[in-house]
Amino acid sequence: IAGITQAPTSQILAAGRRMTLRCTQDMRHNAMYWYRQDLGLGLRLIHYSNTAGTTGKGEVPDGYSVSRANTDDFPLTLASAVPSQTSVYFCASSEGTSGSNEQFFGPGTRLTVL
Amino acid sequence: GQNIDQPTEMTATEGAIVQINCTYQTSGFNGLFWYQQHAGEAPTFLSYNVLDGLEEKGRFSSFLSRSKGYSYLLLKELQMKDSASYLCAVNSDYKLSFGAGTTVTVRA
Repeated sequence: IAGITQAPTSQILAAGRRMTLRCTQDMRHNAMYWYRQDLGLGLRLIHYSNTAGTTGKGEVPDGYSVSRANTDDFPLTLASAVPSQTSVYFCASSEGTSGSNEQFFGPGTRLTVL
Repeated sequence: GQNIDQPTEMTATEGAIVQINCTYQTSGFNGLFWYQQHAGEAPTFLSYNVLDGLEEKGRFSSFLSRSKGYSYLLLKELQMKDSASYLCAVNSDYKLSFGAGTTVTVRA
């Protein structure tokens, strides 16, 4: 693989269920991010990780958790899904966190919570 | 939090020029990015500005004025494939905050 991948591509989930969205990058980037994208609101940061072993909260972290056990993987977990978490989720990575480091985005996961 | 404003929609004719403005209010400014996002796809990097002035890259140029909290993306010689959303993003405290995006429609 080359770049950043996400799984699943799309998912329909019953409210109250637990769900983990997977994200893997093979660019050896230090920093990784999870965003959600909703119509009219743009991309909003959920959680981030500046380096393996560390994570931080973004703008909209409630209801989500992340882990960063190694450099390549950054899974996002919804412990008990609610309909307001229906969204398109993008994972991204960057070589570092300094200003000029562009972020590379995965293809996205479209999640519907019923 | 950050306040980033850009127009919701713009329409232009093939071969024309379109300018997408972005204004922002932020603390700890570390640069401004423009991304392109086609419908149903991931955002892709277009440009980065951290110093005042114009950065030109082929048909696309990006301008920044830090004192005014203002940037624009200039798309020249528009092509049908340029129909997409254009996202303005500010790096503040080493995290990106995005505007809602501007959807550009190119007409034949």
